Amino acid sequence: QVQLVQSGSELKKPGASVKVSCKASGYAFTTYALNWVRQAPGQGLEWVGWINTNTRNPTYAQGFTGRFVFSLDTSVSTAYLQISSLKAEDTAVYYCARGDYGDSGRYYFHYWGRGTLVTVSS
Amino acid sequence: EIVLTQSPATLSLSPGERATLSCRASQSVSSYLAWYQQLPGQAPRLLIYDASKRATGIPARFSGSGSGTDFTLTISSLEPEDFALYYCQHRSNWPLTFGGGTKVEIK
Repeated sequence: QVQLVQSGSELKKPGASVKVSCKASGYAFTTYALNWVRQAPGQGLEWVGWINTNTRNPTYAQGFTGRFVFSLDTSVSTAYLQISSLKAEDTAVYYCARGDYGDSGRYYFHYWGRGTLVTVSS
Repeated sequence: EIVLTQSPATLSLSPGERATLSCRASQSVSSYLAWYQQLPGQAPRLLIYDASKRATGIPARFSGSGSGTDFTLTISSLEPEDFALYYCQHRSNWPLTFGGGTKVEIK
């Protein structure tokens, strides 16, 4: 069965960096796009962007350019989200989600990871 | 950016009642709209995609309708496990956006 397993919670100080992982199993990793979605505490869902797992081309939503970087290690079917120069407002649960029922970066999300809580606090 | 506005913010109903949730888009998204359910502490779960298609394993009491700018999620008879947060999401263009959510709570 399809699974997306994310790394554990992180507590970081402002200005530090964090790298969240998302390991996929149960399907051919490079045949589906991988998306990242953010949910701040008590807030709604916000699309961060997606990475084409075949071409490795990333696309970032407005507001997530510069400090947010998507990467892949296809040898272990794992996607990564790195956030640098962390700010308190980056505190959120970050979900990875497989892109389904769509194309060219325009997807719905049928399979989700359980989320990784990133807390930024001094 | 397409803004999705969900209403009401909170819906207070009893088990067995019918729930009707609305999602309005700031411009046409054709039928490129999905609905998700989120329980506390869990990832969202895809219920409906392309406005009216039920995702795999979703009970028939969940149905979606609409096109263009106005969409509805209907839960025909609320079960105890249906009390949750519901979000709509479009995939018409970039950026993909979500609505602000509707909380269905027990009356």
